[in-house]
Amino acid sequence: KAGVTQTPRYLIKTRGQQVTLSCSPISGHRSVSWYQQTPGQGLQFLFEYFSETQRNKGNFPGRFSGRQFSNSRSEMNVSTLELGDSALYLCASSVKQMNTEAFFGQGTRLTVV
Amino acid sequence: DAKTTQPPSMDCAEGRAANLPCNHSTISGNEYVYWYRQIHSQGPQYIIHGLKNNETNEMASLIITEDRKSSTLILPHATLRDTAVYYCIVRDLNTGTASKLTFGTGTRLQVTL
Repeated sequence: KAGVTQTPRYLIKTRGQQVTLSCSPISGHRSVSWYQQTPGQGLQFLFEYFSETQRNKGNFPGRFSGRQFSNSRSEMNVSTLELGDSALYLCASSVKQMNTEAFFGQGTRLTVV
Repeated sequence: DAKTTQPPSMDCAEGRAANLPCNHSTISGNEYVYWYRQIHSQGPQYIIHGLKNNETNEMASLIITEDRKSSTLILPHATLRDTAVYYCIVRDLNTGTASKLTFGTGTRLQVTL
């Protein structure tokens, strides 16, 4: 079956702009989590959505937001981009909220210039 | 979630067993030990998890000490494709934050010819 699909794979934005990233989970998976990976901070949890509701949130400013649609697809948005937002953004899906196994997508590489 | 400690890097000859240690001395009774790996430029991949018994699947074996304060991931016959960063994570599946994976710095395993 198809894996987790993230689009776009690469993105270049300018400081101050906003960006929207998309994640299509594995068919039948209802939980989607987002992570940010940078060389300095490693992999950090952003938030998790289940049944269109945010269930958990990491320690990121309000510029980072997300949503989940009725078909479980999820988007995350970053407003007023800063240079430090340059990172690999990863999406993970699982069957249910506290499932044992999460499947990750290939990520979106965001570069802010 | 309990903090984990892993060596920053390890080398292993191809065909030999790779034994990756993880210390989680503050683990609580409800916390599971999970292993993920991340091959360069890809999203993390689930490997195996366990609570207190040793576990084996097609990818690896997980050995958890009797006091549960440490564990070892074993790749029985390492190949070059196993070169990756390996993350040991502890999770309490019975709490509201179970969906959040807290990644440490991991162990960079280099498999050589």
